[in-house]
Amino acid sequence: GQSLEQPSEVTAVEGAIVQINCTYQTSGFYGLSWYQQHDGGAPTFLSYNGLDGLEETGRFSSFLSRSDSYGYLLLQELQMKDSASYFCAVRSGYSSASKIIFGSGTRLSIRP
Amino acid sequence: EAQVTQNPRYLITVTGKKLTVTCSQNMNHEYMSWYRQDPGLGLRQIYYSMNVEVTDKGDVPEGYKVSRKEKRNFPLILESPSPNQTSLYFCASSLARDRGNLFSYEQYFGPGTRLTVT
Repeated sequence: GQSLEQPSEVTAVEGAIVQINCTYQTSGFYGLSWYQQHDGGAPTFLSYNGLDGLEETGRFSSFLSRSDSYGYLLLQELQMKDSASYFCAVRSGYSSASKIIFGSGTRLSIRP
Repeated sequence: EAQVTQNPRYLITVTGKKLTVTCSQNMNHEYMSWYRQDPGLGLRQIYYSMNVEVTDKGDVPEGYKVSRKEKRNFPLILESPSPNQTSLYFCASSLARDRGNLFSYEQYFGPGTRLTVT
């Protein structure tokens, strides 16, 4: 079957760095995305990796290794406002017009 | 302002009473999608649409219908709602072609519709 695995919870300290891993098993692959969702809110896009390697967007970076079916989201200089749930998502097909599968989410808690 | 709108935001209904949740986007996006979100299960795709008159099933399509008669609108129809369809529903839209940057496939989500079926 098709699935994405990510840790259910992660706790970190304000100012620190945290990495959230995502492994996927899908029939076809067309890019890995990351989304942030605060309690009571809608998911918002953070990053997209279509090719292997690291993409950096401010304090957030995302990495993809297609050969390992693995990616991660790296959050640096953690702030209290980063407390949220983070989801990885894969377009599981061979084109951009494909089904999208989300992981079950990682709840990140930040301690002062 | 670029946005995805959904209506209603909250709905309580009874088993078997047909309902429609509307979704509209103003970004001229080709790809639109419906998700349901349940605790511990993340977001699960119900249906998606590549463009007008083109729709396809996601992972959990049973009990739902969609239509895409116009590019901007993508309503979700529950012909005969049941209690197991009680959930938080999100509509989302995105481009469907690579624009050469990492935001190419950014999905914009609506604010969500909380549905309770009794």
